[in-house]
Amino acid sequence: SAVISQKPSRDICQRGTSLTIQCQVDSQVTMMFWYRQQPGQSLTLIATANQGSEATYESGFVIDKFPISRPNLTFSTLTVSNMSPEDSSIYLCSVETRATNEKLFFGSGTQLSVL
Amino acid sequence: GQQVMQIPQYQHVQEGEDFTTYCNSSTTLSNIQWYKQRPGGHPVFLIQLVKSGEVKKQKRLTFQFGEAKKNSSLHITATQTTDVGTYFCAGGSVGGGADGLTFGKGTHLIIQP
Repeated sequence: SAVISQKPSRDICQRGTSLTIQCQVDSQVTMMFWYRQQPGQSLTLIATANQGSEATYESGFVIDKFPISRPNLTFSTLTVSNMSPEDSSIYLCSVETRATNEKLFFGSGTQLSVL
Repeated sequence: GQQVMQIPQYQHVQEGEDFTTYCNSSTTLSNIQWYKQRPGGHPVFLIQLVKSGEVKKQKRLTFQFGEAKKNSSLHITATQTTDVGTYFCAGGSVGGGADGLTFGKGTHLIIQP
């Protein structure tokens, strides 16, 4: 398994500002993903963070709103830009390792509230 | 696109009763995974099923994958308060990797002592 450190764990932000969430893994992983989970709801994939290249976004998510970086195999950031109350959600980093074959490990999540 | 339906959305049981959640896909899956999320926590991987008709057990938990690889179930025998949480299934698309996983909406298990 992989140990994932995600921060901040929670934040309260003002409308129109941006927040960057960090995800650090204790070992090199093949894939890193960013998910959103609204209260009591399922997990929605935002994008796949690609090392050294632009992230691959799912339908409904765009780079201008959710810029993602992955400078190396163990670290990624997700920025939620120009926030509105609709962005209030839990954001989760997850990873897949070569050994785990499509199984996901999740960070502890960032609970974001936008006022 | 692939859709994964999970029922029921909520299940209230008395402690000691059994619990089952069902997952159905609109397409044939390469594999099905189950995750558990405790209240306030993050999803934790429980198991992966790959073969048609596969059945796996983890103590009081029994996982099944349908013959057509389009449905799955998780059954908990004699629930305990530690089983409280939301159980998600996630279906893998044929030829896809972890980015091809589609999560069900989850079943919230509430246990009354």
